[in-house]
Amino acid sequence: DAGVIQSPRHEVTEMGQEVTLRCKPISGHDYLFWYRQTMMRGLELLIYFNNNVPIDDSGMPEDRFSAKMPNASFSTLKIQPSEPRDSAVYFCASSRTVNTGELFFGEGSRLTVL
Amino acid sequence: KQEVTQIPAALSVPEGENLVLNCSFTDSAIYNLQWFRQDPGKGLTSLLLIQSSQREQTSGRLNASLDKSSGRSTLYIAASQPGDSATYLCAVNIGYDYGGSQGNLIFGKGTKLSVKP
Repeated sequence: DAGVIQSPRHEVTEMGQEVTLRCKPISGHDYLFWYRQTMMRGLELLIYFNNNVPIDDSGMPEDRFSAKMPNASFSTLKIQPSEPRDSAVYFCASSRTVNTGELFFGEGSRLTVL
Repeated sequence: KQEVTQIPAALSVPEGENLVLNCSFTDSAIYNLQWFRQDPGKGLTSLLLIQSSQREQTSGRLNASLDKSSGRSTLYIAASQPGDSATYLCAVNIGYDYGGSQGNLIFGKGTKLSVKP
């Protein structure tokens, strides 16, 4: 299996621009998670989906952030407009179940907002 | 609010040494605890998952223990090697009642391990 695939791996943009991050989970995994990692705050859950339905988005920092999962093999995280404080590494992860909790992570998208 | 703490933040040891990484959490109501490894510029790789009913899990040179009542977990690495150099994170699964579903992992900030040849 190819694992969780994220794109782009690196994104540099200017403040105010729209940013779209993409994720392809592992086939057969019903749960998809978006995390953000910063030096100050560590890893934080932004949102997670079960069978393409958003279950908990309480970690999404502001209305500028939105996430979608139009089908079982694709999800996007969008920031519009972007701000310098959004600079971080954004990880997508998937799991087959959530009770047993073994999570498989992508390699992340490093976002820099100038 | 559940908080996860990992001490020390960084650790440097000579090759061959046995070592212990510590993880503590404030609320014992967890479903499981997971240890991850993160290499620079990479994602997280799951190492060991301990369910709340278990006391320990082993994989090769790694052994993780869980003491829910005291809010502690340890990751023991035997005969450390330079290839073990990475950041090790622990995460507790606190679950949710939200819509009857579960799924939030609360992460510590990690211990950065350096194994010198």
